[in-house]
Amino acid sequence: QKEVEQNSGPLSVPEGAIASLNCTYSDRGSQSFFWYRQYSGKSPELIMFIYSNGDKEDGRFTAQLNKASQYVSLLIRDSQPSDSATYLCAVNWGSGGSNYKLTFGKGTLLTVNP
Amino acid sequence: DTAVSQTPKYLVTQMGNDKSIKCEQNLGHDTMYWYKQDSKKFLKIMFSYNNKELIINETVPNRFSPKSPDKAHLNLHINSLELGDSAVYFCASSLSGPTITFFGQGTRLTVV
Repeated sequence: QKEVEQNSGPLSVPEGAIASLNCTYSDRGSQSFFWYRQYSGKSPELIMFIYSNGDKEDGRFTAQLNKASQYVSLLIRDSQPSDSATYLCAVNWGSGGSNYKLTFGKGTLLTVNP
Repeated sequence: DTAVSQTPKYLVTQMGNDKSIKCEQNLGHDTMYWYKQDSKKFLKIMFSYNNKELIINETVPNRFSPKSPDKAHLNLHINSLELGDSAVYFCASSLSGPTITFFGQGTRLTVV
């Protein structure tokens, strides 16, 4: 059973702080890793994706991947109240060709307090 | 120019009825999916289709039948609806392989 684990939170940070969201996954064969943001009543929206070990930065967001530790994280710098949402970690795995699927963690609810 | 669109957005129906949800994508993707998000917000894959061929069929009751008339469309038909089918159903699409998946706006199904 391939699993993706996240701390469900809620994680509460003050405006302007760094929010750190963590995720672990069970299958070493996983190839791509995603962070989606989901506002209440809305669909998942892609924030970041990462394929290689190390850091990847996009504006206020940084994704970090450590395949040896089977760990992926998302840092949000200068957190804003508009960042308040559920953050879903997703791992894409498959046996090749079109046989890939996203497996999601249960999400971490982030609240940024003004 | 919505990328992945599904209809209807809301669906309220009685137990025992049969209903369908339609999905279309204009991204040129070759793979489409149905995901279910339960009341605890856990998002789980149900099916995937690649170029009209069923690729992934998770443990889903056979009351759920996906149909893909072409690679841009994937519909979901549900027979004999049960209370436990109440959830948000998301259509999604991607290109083959471990690539980015885009989601539709979701269909909130309520069975009463």
